[in-house]
Amino acid sequence: EADIYQTPRYLVIGTGKKITLECSQTMGHDKMYWYQQDPGMELHLIHYSYGVNSTEKGDLSSESTVSRIRTEHFPLTLESARPSHTSQYLCASSRQGRETQYFGPGTRLLVL
Amino acid sequence: AQSVSQHNHHVILSEAASLELGCNYSYGGTVNLFWYVQYPGQHLQLLLKYFSGDPLVKGIKGFEAEFIKSKFSFNLRKPSVQWSDTAEYFCAVTPNQAGTALIFGKGTTLSVSS
Repeated sequence: EADIYQTPRYLVIGTGKKITLECSQTMGHDKMYWYQQDPGMELHLIHYSYGVNSTEKGDLSSESTVSRIRTEHFPLTLESARPSHTSQYLCASSRQGRETQYFGPGTRLLVL
Repeated sequence: AQSVSQHNHHVILSEAASLELGCNYSYGGTVNLFWYVQYPGQHLQLLLKYFSGDPLVKGIKGFEAEFIKSKFSFNLRKPSVQWSDTAEYFCAVTPNQAGTALIFGKGTTLSVSS
């Protein structure tokens, strides 16, 4: 069982609010990822990190930002939430050199 | 651009029926291949993976998948499904290079009736 955690699990928030989605892993993995998934659709990579102080944008353009100050922590921030940000956000991690990714439980975000 | 196609959006089976879920990818080089499963209310979990070697790989819970390089396919199979296999199944691919992320298919929802 992989140890990767996301909070909150569910979030309902008004337009214009700043939100941070938390993701932590206790496996010492170097690589971490954020995916966005709309119902019935594939997961799309929005951010990834290969280590501390390394962050890159993924295939899907996103207005969110991420930081990687500590190996185990990879938070995602939306400065001003909009209804178009309503989605499920999944965090994942993997060990350097091994591409098996372990996923957190996800955060379901609803922006009103 | 690389992509993954899962042909079946929703599959409905009775218990003990055989299962095959199709997955094709578009990438000409060497790839790593995965099937992930998401049971209702749970995390995405790795079902099985292929990196190299025997193209027939076995995963958890009696699932297996066959990599057919000439067809760019990695179909998932199970000879006899159970009600507890009801879940969403995702095929994913990553090029066999350091520093690349997974590309997922849209997923297939499997509903098994008892």
